[in-house]
Amino acid sequence: NAGVTQTPKFQVLKTGQSMTLQCAQDMNHNSMYWYRQDPGMGLRLIYYSASEGTTDKGEVPNGYNVSRLNKREFSLRLESAAPSQTSVYFCASRRDRVGDTQYFGPGTRLTVL
Amino acid sequence: LAKTTQPISMDSYEGQEVNITCSHNNIATNDYITWYQQFPSQGPRFIIQGYKTKVTNEVASLFIPADRKSSTLSLPRVSLSDTAVYYCLVGESGTNAGKSTFGDGTTLTVKP
Repeated sequence: NAGVTQTPKFQVLKTGQSMTLQCAQDMNHNSMYWYRQDPGMGLRLIYYSASEGTTDKGEVPNGYNVSRLNKREFSLRLESAAPSQTSVYFCASRRDRVGDTQYFGPGTRLTVL
Repeated sequence: LAKTTQPISMDSYEGQEVNITCSHNNIATNDYITWYQQFPSQGPRFIIQGYKTKVTNEVASLFIPADRKSSTLSLPRVSLSDTAVYYCLVGESGTNAGKSTFGDGTTLTVKP
């Protein structure tokens, strides 16, 4: 049982390049989330998916797209990376019964030059 | 959506009890209160969760007054390894899932 896994762990992009961050969970959780965390700041929700086939915007969705490929996988895409998107990206999942909590992946550290 | 307010930082010494209070004045009837801990370069991890009164586990206690407009995380006899950022999160029940916000958390520094 690996929990929540994220790939890659580190990535450096040039402005304007695109990339997809991958996230997978093996806990049969319904909800999945993408957060970003800037240095010295808290987590901000980018997008979330309450179930397979559904996605909703969070606090900071601009510049990102997501795909809930199946129940296990939730990807985050940057179509045209900008330096302002330099951050650590965390994926999380949650079963969604009352009182359930989120389980986080190890994060992807992204630098956009 | 319930917004939370926590102190930005706190200092303590090894062996002391630490209490971190979170304000959440517009908490909804079905909202739970959850606390997460985050170490540098890691994702947050669950510490404790409660709905009302007091909850205790092997790591911490959570005190919630009757009006539920605030909550206090209590860490008994902290050690250097408790140095971390602590987040209070309100929501995480039913359809509110995904709409809870983490805020900036409280940075706890434990000194020898």
